[in-house]
Amino acid sequence: SQQGEEDPQALSIQEGENATMNCSYKTSINNLQWYRQNSGRGLVHLILIRSNEREKHSGRLRVTLDTSKKSSSLLITASRAADTASYFCAEESPTNAGGTSYGKLTFGQGTILTVHP
Amino acid sequence: DTGVSQDPRHKITKRGQNVTFRCDPISEHNRLYWYRQTLGQGPEFLTYFQNEAQLEKSRLLSDRFSAERPKGSFSTLEIQRTEQGDSAMYLCASSLVWGQGGEQYFGPGTRLTVT
Repeated sequence: SQQGEEDPQALSIQEGENATMNCSYKTSINNLQWYRQNSGRGLVHLILIRSNEREKHSGRLRVTLDTSKKSSSLLITASRAADTASYFCAEESPTNAGGTSYGKLTFGQGTILTVHP
Repeated sequence: DTGVSQDPRHKITKRGQNVTFRCDPISEHNRLYWYRQTLGQGPEFLTYFQNEAQLEKSRLLSDRFSAERPKGSFSTLEIQRTEQGDSAMYLCASSLVWGQGGEQYFGPGTRLTVT
Protein backbone atom coordinates (compact mmCIF):
# COMPACT_ATOMS: atom_id res chain seq x y z
CA SER A 1 0.00 0.00 0.00
CA GLN A 2 1.15 3.53 -0.62
CA GLN A 3 2.27 5.59 2.32
CA GLY A 4 2.48 9.05 0.85
CA GLU A 5 -0.38 11.47 0.86
CA GLU A 6 -0.25 14.41 -1.48
CA ASP A 7 -2.11 17.64 -1.25
CA PRO A 8 -3.84 19.02 -3.19
CA GLN A 9 -5.02 16.23 -5.47
CA ALA A 10 -5.46 18.75 -8.27
CA LEU A 11 -4.18 22.28 -8.82
CA SER A 12 -5.11 24.68 -11.60
CA ILE A 13 -3.16 27.93 -12.07
CA GLN A 14 -2.30 30.53 -14.68
CA GLU A 15 1.04 30.68 -16.42
CA GLY A 16 3.52 32.71 -14.42
CA GLU A 17 2.02 31.83 -11.04
CA ASN A 18 3.75 29.64 -8.48
CA ALA A 19 2.54 26.13 -7.69
CA THR A 20 3.02 24.44 -4.32
CA MET A 21 2.42 20.75 -3.70
CA ASN A 22 2.71 19.00 -0.37
CA CYS A 23 3.54 15.45 0.57
CA SER A 24 3.30 13.62 3.88
CA TYR A 25 4.79 10.26 4.76
CA LYS A 26 4.57 7.89 7.69
CA THR A 27 7.91 6.16 8.24
CA SER A 28 11.51 7.23 8.53
CA ILE A 29 13.23 7.94 5.24
CA ASN A 30 16.70 7.98 3.73
CA ASN A 31 15.60 10.42 1.09
CA LEU A 32 12.51 11.80 -0.59
CA GLN A 33 12.24 12.27 -4.33
CA TRP A 34 9.88 14.14 -6.61
CA TYR A 35 8.90 12.89 -10.04
CA ARG A 36 6.82 14.32 -12.88
CA GLN A 37 4.67 12.27 -15.21
CA ASN A 38 2.96 13.28 -18.39
CA SER A 39 1.75 11.30 -21.34
CA GLY A 40 4.51 12.52 -23.56
CA ARG A 41 7.59 11.77 -21.47
CA GLY A 42 6.59 9.20 -18.88
CA LEU A 43 7.91 9.40 -15.32
CA VAL A 44 10.88 11.74 -14.92
CA HIS A 45 12.99 12.39 -11.83
CA LEU A 46 12.99 16.03 -10.73
CA ILE A 47 14.87 16.32 -7.46
CA LEU A 48 16.09 14.29 -4.48
CA ILE A 49 16.42 15.58 -0.93
CA ARG A 50 18.21 13.54 1.72
CA SER A 51 16.91 13.12 5.25
CA ASN A 52 19.62 15.39 6.65
CA GLU A 53 18.79 18.22 4.23
CA ARG A 54 16.08 20.81 4.79
CA GLU A 55 15.92 22.60 1.45
CA LYS A 56 17.11 22.04 -2.06
CA HIS A 57 16.86 24.02 -5.29
CA SER A 58 17.02 23.03 -8.93
CA GLY A 59 16.21 25.69 -11.49
CA ARG A 60 12.61 26.78 -10.88
CA LEU A 61 12.08 23.99 -8.35
CA ARG A 62 12.41 24.32 -4.59
CA VAL A 63 11.92 21.38 -2.27
CA THR A 64 11.71 21.49 1.49
CA LEU A 65 11.77 18.61 3.93
CA ASP A 66 10.57 18.63 7.54
CA THR A 67 11.40 15.27 9.09
CA SER A 68 9.79 16.23 12.41
CA LYS A 69 6.46 16.63 10.61
CA LYS A 70 7.21 13.91 8.07
CA SER A 71 6.34 16.26 5.25
CA SER A 72 7.82 17.78 2.13
CA SER A 73 6.76 20.44 -0.30
CA LEU A 74 7.57 21.15 -3.93
CA LEU A 75 7.40 24.71 -5.19
CA ILE A 76 7.47 25.46 -8.90
CA THR A 77 8.04 29.14 -9.55
CA ALA A 78 6.97 31.08 -12.64
CA SER A 79 5.01 28.13 -13.98
CA ARG A 80 4.70 27.40 -17.69
CA ALA A 81 2.08 25.52 -19.69
CA ALA A 82 4.72 22.83 -20.23
CA ASP A 83 4.71 22.18 -16.45
CA THR A 84 1.23 20.64 -16.83
CA ALA A 85 1.64 17.10 -15.51
CA SER A 86 1.14 14.83 -12.49
CA TYR A 87 3.69 15.27 -9.73
CA PHE A 88 4.55 12.48 -7.32
CA CYS A 89 6.60 12.37 -4.18
CA ALA A 90 8.35 9.10 -3.44
CA GLU A 91 10.05 8.15 -0.24
CA GLU A 92 13.00 5.82 0.01
CA SER A 93 13.04 4.20 3.41
CA PRO A 94 15.64 2.09 5.18
CA THR A 95 15.36 -1.58 4.31
CA ASN A 96 16.91 -2.81 7.54
CA ALA A 97 17.78 -1.64 11.03
CA GLY A 98 21.20 -0.61 9.81
CA GLY A 99 19.63 2.05 7.63
CA THR A 100 20.64 0.50 4.34
CA SER A 101 18.30 1.25 1.47
CA TYR A 102 18.15 -0.61 -1.79
CA GLY A 103 16.26 2.08 -3.61
CA LYS A 104 12.69 0.84 -3.26
CA LEU A 105 10.40 3.84 -3.69
CA THR A 106 6.96 4.30 -2.16
CA PHE A 107 4.96 6.80 -4.19
CA GLY A 108 2.13 9.07 -3.19
CA GLN A 109 -1.06 9.37 -5.21
CA GLY A 110 0.15 12.50 -6.93
CA THR A 111 -0.99 16.04 -7.61
CA ILE A 112 -2.40 16.86 -11.04
CA LEU A 113 -1.12 20.30 -12.02
CA THR A 114 -2.73 22.22 -14.88
CA VAL A 115 -1.09 25.45 -16.00
CA HIS A 116 -3.26 27.55 -18.26
CA PRO A 117 -1.54 29.72 -20.90
CA ASP B 1 13.91 9.35 -23.64
CA THR B 2 15.58 8.19 -20.40
CA GLY B 3 17.47 5.34 -22.06
CA VAL B 4 15.30 2.65 -20.47
CA SER B 5 13.21 0.78 -23.01
CA GLN B 6 10.25 -1.53 -22.54
CA ASP B 7 8.58 -3.90 -24.92
CA PRO B 8 5.80 -4.14 -25.85
CA ARG B 9 4.32 -0.72 -25.20
CA HIS B 10 0.80 -2.09 -25.27
CA LYS B 11 -0.56 -5.58 -24.71
CA ILE B 12 -4.15 -6.74 -24.92
CA THR B 13 -4.77 -10.27 -23.76
CA LYS B 14 -7.64 -12.48 -22.78
CA ARG B 15 -8.15 -13.56 -19.20
CA GLY B 16 -6.25 -16.72 -18.44
CA GLN B 17 -3.47 -16.13 -20.97
CA ASN B 18 0.18 -15.67 -20.04
CA VAL B 19 2.06 -12.49 -20.92
CA THR B 20 5.71 -11.52 -20.74
CA PHE B 21 7.17 -8.03 -20.72
CA ARG B 22 10.76 -7.03 -21.31
CA CYS B 23 12.79 -4.17 -19.89
CA ASP B 24 16.19 -3.03 -21.12
CA PRO B 25 17.80 -0.75 -18.54
CA ILE B 26 20.58 1.73 -19.09
CA SER B 27 23.51 -0.54 -19.79
CA GLU B 28 25.79 0.29 -16.85
CA HIS B 29 23.01 0.39 -14.26
CA ASN B 30 23.25 -2.29 -11.58
CA ARG B 31 19.75 -1.94 -10.13
CA LEU B 32 16.49 -2.65 -11.89
CA TYR B 33 12.98 -2.14 -10.50
CA TRP B 34 9.47 -3.11 -11.56
CA TYR B 35 6.44 -1.04 -10.55
CA ARG B 36 2.76 -1.25 -11.39
CA GLN B 37 0.56 1.81 -11.85
CA THR B 38 -3.22 1.93 -12.12
CA LEU B 39 -5.25 4.90 -13.26
CA GLY B 40 -5.16 7.81 -10.86
CA GLN B 41 -2.59 6.20 -8.57
CA GLY B 42 1.13 6.47 -8.12
CA PRO B 43 3.39 3.58 -9.07
CA GLU B 44 3.51 0.63 -6.64
CA PHE B 45 6.70 -1.30 -6.10
CA LEU B 46 6.71 -4.91 -7.30
CA THR B 47 10.31 -6.15 -7.19
CA TYR B 48 13.92 -5.19 -7.74
CA PHE B 49 17.22 -6.67 -8.78
CA GLN B 50 20.77 -5.82 -7.96
CA ASN B 51 22.68 -7.20 -10.90
CA GLU B 52 21.09 -10.64 -11.44
CA ALA B 53 19.91 -11.14 -7.85
CA GLN B 54 16.26 -10.52 -7.03
CA LEU B 55 16.51 -8.92 -3.60
CA GLU B 56 12.95 -8.03 -2.69
CA LYS B 57 9.46 -8.86 -3.83
CA SER B 58 6.30 -7.03 -2.84
CA ARG B 59 3.40 -9.02 -1.48
CA LEU B 60 1.55 -7.56 -4.49
CA LEU B 61 3.58 -10.02 -6.53
CA SER B 62 1.46 -13.16 -6.29
CA ASP B 63 2.74 -16.55 -7.35
CA ARG B 64 1.35 -15.84 -10.82
CA PHE B 65 4.06 -13.22 -11.28
CA SER B 66 7.69 -14.01 -11.89
CA ALA B 67 10.59 -11.77 -12.79
CA GLU B 68 14.09 -12.55 -13.97
CA ARG B 69 17.22 -10.65 -14.82
CA PRO B 70 19.61 -13.14 -16.36
CA LYS B 71 23.21 -11.98 -16.53
CA GLY B 72 22.25 -8.75 -14.84
CA SER B 73 21.21 -7.06 -18.05
CA PHE B 74 17.64 -7.01 -19.38
CA SER B 75 14.74 -8.19 -17.26
CA THR B 76 11.47 -9.97 -17.96
CA LEU B 77 8.24 -9.90 -16.01
CA GLU B 78 5.83 -12.75 -16.67
CA ILE B 79 2.23 -12.92 -15.55
CA GLN B 80 0.59 -16.31 -15.76
CA ARG B 81 -3.16 -16.89 -15.95
CA THR B 82 -3.91 -13.19 -16.27
CA GLU B 83 -6.90 -11.71 -14.47
CA GLN B 84 -8.79 -8.51 -15.19
CA GLY B 85 -7.30 -7.01 -12.04
CA ASP B 86 -3.86 -7.28 -13.64
CA SER B 87 -4.80 -4.53 -16.09
CA ALA B 88 -2.37 -1.70 -15.38
CA MET B 89 0.72 0.08 -16.60
CA TYR B 90 3.88 -1.88 -15.78
CA LEU B 91 6.89 0.36 -15.34
CA CYS B 92 10.53 -0.56 -15.26
CA ALA B 93 13.24 1.65 -13.79
CA SER B 94 16.98 1.40 -13.37
CA SER B 95 19.63 3.15 -11.34
CA LEU B 96 23.36 3.09 -10.76
CA VAL B 97 24.06 3.31 -7.07
CA TRP B 98 25.95 1.51 -4.36
CA GLY B 99 24.63 1.67 -0.83
CA GLN B 100 21.71 4.05 -0.58
CA GLY B 101 19.51 4.43 -3.58
CA GLY B 102 19.00 7.52 -5.67
CA GLU B 103 17.55 8.78 -8.88
CA GLN B 104 15.70 6.16 -10.88
CA TYR B 105 15.28 6.31 -14.64
CA PHE B 106 11.91 5.02 -15.79
CA GLY B 107 10.96 3.42 -19.05
CA PRO B 108 7.80 4.36 -20.97
CA GLY B 109 5.89 1.41 -19.53
CA THR B 110 3.87 -1.47 -20.89
CA ARG B 111 0.13 -0.95 -20.73
CA LEU B 112 -1.63 -4.27 -20.14
CA THR B 113 -5.33 -4.70 -20.80
CA VAL B 114 -6.91 -8.00 -19.80
CA THR B 115 -10.29 -8.61 -21.41
